[in-house]
Order: sequence, then C-alpha cells, then structure tokens
Amino acid sequence: EDKVVQSPLSLVVHEGDTVTLNCSYEVTNFRSLLWYKQEKKAPTFLFMLTSSGIEKKSGRLSSILDKKELFSILNITATQTGDSAIYLCAVEADTDKLIFGTGTRLQVFP
Amino acid sequence: SQTIHQWPATLVQPVGSPLSLECTVEGTSNPNLYWYRQAAGRGLQLLFYSVGIGQISSEVPQNLSASRPQDRQFILSSKKLLLSDSGFYLCAWRTGYGNTIYFGEGSWLTVV
Repeated sequence: EDKVVQSPLSLVVHEGDTVTLNCSYEVTNFRSLLWYKQEKKAPTFLFMLTSSGIEKKSGRLSSILDKKELFSILNITATQTGDSAIYLCAVEADTDKLIFGTGTRLQVFP
Repeated sequence: SQTIHQWPATLVQPVGSPLSLECTVEGTSNPNLYWYRQAAGRGLQLLFYSVGIGQISSEVPQNLSASRPQDRQFILSSKKLLLSDSGFYLCAWRTGYGNTIYFGEGSWLTVV
C-alpha cells in the first residue's frame, strides 16, 4: 500500500530558529513529491520535486529529494511567526492522485 | 488566471440530513477535479476525482457521492449524513496528470 509519513508531527520553535521537516514515502512508480503550506484553510503550493539531489529554493524555504532513500526534507531558516502552519507532503505515483502525509504542525513563537 | 470557488464555507447539519458542496473552477477548461477530506489531526484523504464530465472515480467506500454535471463544476453529495462525515472538505483542480494541484478555500462540515 502506498504511504507517506511525515515527521515530526509537531514542532515548536522560537523566531530565528532553523527547522527541518521530514517526509518519507513508499509508493509504486514514483513520479513527483510536493510540499504545501496550510495556514487556516486551503493548502498553498510550495515546491514540486522530481529529481534527486536538486535543491529547490524560495526565500528562506528550501527542499531536496533523495529518490534512493525515498525521502525529502523541507528546511526553513530564520523562522518567523508567519511560518506557523501545517506543512503537508504529498507524493504522486502512477495514478492521477496525490497521496498526502498527515502533516507537520509548526508553531513559531516570538 | 485560474480561480477555484467552493461553497458553503461552513455548515452544521443534523445526522441523516442531505449534503451538497459545490466547487467551480474558472479560467481553464477540462481540468482534473478532486474532493479531499481532512479530519482533525489527519492528512488529506482523497474521496473522488474526475478527469471529465460524467467521469467520477471513487477512492473510499462511503455514503458520499460526487458528480460533474459541467466541465468546471464538481459537486459532493450525501443523502444521509453520518457523524463521521464531519471534517474539512477541500476541492482541488489541476490542468492534467503530473501538474501541480491547487486547492479551494475548503468547507467545514459539522454533523450533529
């Protein structure tokens, strides 16, 4: 059965800290891995990763994929209170659907 | 640009009552459409997806159903709600397989 596992489930940090969120997966015929940020309602797209070892970067956020070890990490440097959210990892395999992990809840305090 | 609208945003329904959540996409044609549910403390669970008018695939056996009467309209329904149907329902779309999925604002359903 295809599955996506995220860790930690919850994380509490102070502003300025750097955090690393993890996503591991087991799917048949992997196609891509996506990261989303969910604040109050709709998840918003962050990154799509398809190739191993190529870092995607957007401001203080970056992500990388390891297709050999079947995982991805999402890094956030110099965290701000606005980074507080649930971060969702999803994997697309050979069917027309995304398989989501349970998410990591990040809380950043001043 | 493309936009997705989902309504109602919030609803409270008694057990056994019917349900209808509606989703429309603007600015694109023939999108792939999806209904997800997010229960408290859990990830997004795919309920239904559609690649065209009248084409619905169901992922999880349940008392919910979906319909796509028009190209950019996707409806989630139930004839009789259960307490376990409570949750956050998200409609989503993309232009095709392999592309990024974009989400609507979601609908909070509480069954009492």
